[in-house]
Amino acid sequence: QVQLQESGPGLVKPSQTLSLRCTVSGGSISSGSYYWSWIRQPAGKGLEWIGRIYFSGSTNYNPSLKSRVTISIDRSKNQFSLKLNSVTAADTAVYYCARDEGDWFDPWGQGTLVTVSS
Amino acid sequence: QSVLTQPPSVSAAPGQKVTISCSGSSSNIVNNYVSWYQQLPGTAPKLLIYDDNKRPSGIPDRFSGSKSGTSATLGITGLQTGDEADYYCGTWDSTLSAVVFGGGTKLTVL
Repeated sequence: QVQLQESGPGLVKPSQTLSLRCTVSGGSISSGSYYWSWIRQPAGKGLEWIGRIYFSGSTNYNPSLKSRVTISIDRSKNQFSLKLNSVTAADTAVYYCARDEGDWFDPWGQGTLVTVSS
Repeated sequence: QSVLTQPPSVSAAPGQKVTISCSGSSSNIVNNYVSWYQQLPGTAPKLLIYDDNKRPSGIPDRFSGSKSGTSATLGITGLQTGDEADYYCGTWDSTLSAVVFGGGTKLTVL
């Protein structure tokens, strides 16, 4: 059973870069025709898709965040990562990683809260 | 403002049925599969329905999905207090080239 776990700093200063990692266990990040996505949720608000990476390394990003986002994959560590630069308070949210079947997300990681504050 | 429109809240009594709508457009719902997620308080979203109307293993048949034109609907029968959660629809938007979600619907089981 595939499981995902987010990790990274819980506090980032404004204008700096948010960096998170998602570790996949119970299966290979390179197996199957899966994408691997990042999704975020500000407190009390809805879900926002950030972007995805295919096991081959190709990426798709939400146009609203594209200029600030980089998603990468490390097959040797069975991990994929998110970098979001020039963060502001508006980027404060719970960040989830999820296996992306192209049309749906399953499973999801438990989420990690990232607060942008000085 | 979300691309997909959901009612902010719905409510019904235990044992009853409720439906949650998800309204979109020709650039998203009409030509792409819809999925639905349940988010219990303080937890990550969980897949309930995929490909408009399919249930993953382990999801009871009390949950159903349908789609017609620019709208999709999640149905829940035999409501239980444990169904109290936020529910989200999601799909691909071909114009935006992005996954889009509804704003979420809070279900209260009275």
